[in-house]
Amino acid sequence: KAGVTQTPRYLIKTRGQQVTLSCSPISGHRSVSWYQQTPGQGLQFLFEYFSETQRNKGNFPGRFSGRQFSNSRSEMNVSTLELGDSALYLCASSPQGIGANVLTFGAGSRLTVL
Amino acid sequence: GDSVTQMEGPVTLSEEAFLTINCTYTATGYPSLFWYVQYPGEGLQLLLKATKADDKGSNKGFEATYRKETTSFHLEKGSVQVSDSAVYFCVCMEYGNKLVFGAGTILRVKS
Repeated sequence: KAGVTQTPRYLIKTRGQQVTLSCSPISGHRSVSWYQQTPGQGLQFLFEYFSETQRNKGNFPGRFSGRQFSNSRSEMNVSTLELGDSALYLCASSPQGIGANVLTFGAGSRLTVL
Repeated sequence: GDSVTQMEGPVTLSEEAFLTINCTYTATGYPSLFWYVQYPGEGLQLLLKATKADDKGSNKGFEATYRKETTSFHLEKGSVQVSDSAVYFCVCMEYGNKLVFGAGTILRVKS
């Protein structure tokens, strides 16, 4: 079966712009979670969506937001981009959520902010 | 909040050498513990997990035992291969089902 698909794989933005990243989970998976990976801070949890509702949230400012659609696909949006937002953004899906199941990760979207 | 501390890398080993990557955690309660592996250009993959004290997770020759008395979950493999070269993350699932990641340890295996 198809894995977790993230688009775009690479993108470059400038400070002040906004960006939207997409994550298509494995078919049948209802939970999508997002993570930021940077050399300085490592991997950090952003948020988790389950059945179109945000279920968990990490310690990130309100510029980071997300949503999930009825087909379980999820988008993450970052507004007013800062240089420090340059990172690899990973999403992961699971049937019932972080606590219940093993996560399957996508390959990530690499964002560079200039 | 909870935290995970991994040994710093990179760790460079010759093929067939013994591998240990240390991981300790701080957490309230009884978290679940995981090792994830990230191969170049790919997302993370679950390597093994343990959900309670004294559990041993194992997969592909890798093992880790959940030691509550030392709050540790060290990863071991008896004989590494070049294909094991990757970044290894120790992960703790804290209360509320939030994942806390260690910094990652780069493993390089030379033939």
